[in-house]
Amino acid sequence: GIQVEQSPPDLILQEGANSTLRCNFSDSVNNLQWFHQNPWGQLINLFYIPSGTKQNGRLSATTVATERYSLLYISSSQTTDSGVYFCAAPGGSGTYKYIFGTGTRLKVLA
Amino acid sequence: DAGVTQSPTHLIKTRGQQVTLRCSPKSGHDTVSWYQQALGQGPQFIFQYYEEEERQRGNFPDRFSGHQFPNYSSELNVNALLLGDSALYLCASSLLAALAEAFFGQGTRLTVV
Repeated sequence: GIQVEQSPPDLILQEGANSTLRCNFSDSVNNLQWFHQNPWGQLINLFYIPSGTKQNGRLSATTVATERYSLLYISSSQTTDSGVYFCAAPGGSGTYKYIFGTGTRLKVLA
Repeated sequence: DAGVTQSPTHLIKTRGQQVTLRCSPKSGHDTVSWYQQALGQGPQFIFQYYEEEERQRGNFPDRFSGHQFPNYSSELNVNALLLGDSALYLCASSLLAALAEAFFGQGTRLTVV
């Protein structure tokens, strides 16, 4: 089945800094989601982005399906951005499950 | 519009017991999937329900079973609990069984002692 890898595994930033999180997947996908997991465990939807670029405030994401990667950009980071960021891709043709990466743990320092 | 709701939020059970977790999908959604997330890991797919039937199952033993009701809500049952079943259990809902955008509940944190 498809493999999903995220980098970096851990990231520490000073408030106001920018960052780029990467998600690589081993096979072509027809959609991809980015989530932020808050300290209480809930997965918050950030982007549903099969291809192209989307922006939502300080966050943006780009998926290049043909090259099997997606990027999540966080600009002017805030302490509330801290948490774990996951990308998830479909498990393969004929499947209804999402495969999650191992996540990027982000800590933003005041 | 209520999002995906799960109950209970926390639960402590003894090894060997049985547990039932509940999920109400986002309004208008008809598909419910369950995921298990161990500490420090990404969520792992348990199974998906659509039209009250289990549509797909991940690599989990038969001790894990589920149900979907006519109102699309769902239950996850785990029998003969093991210490290793301690995890965050997440419910996701989506529209139609295809891989549309999934929305997750806040999760149920299960501790087996």
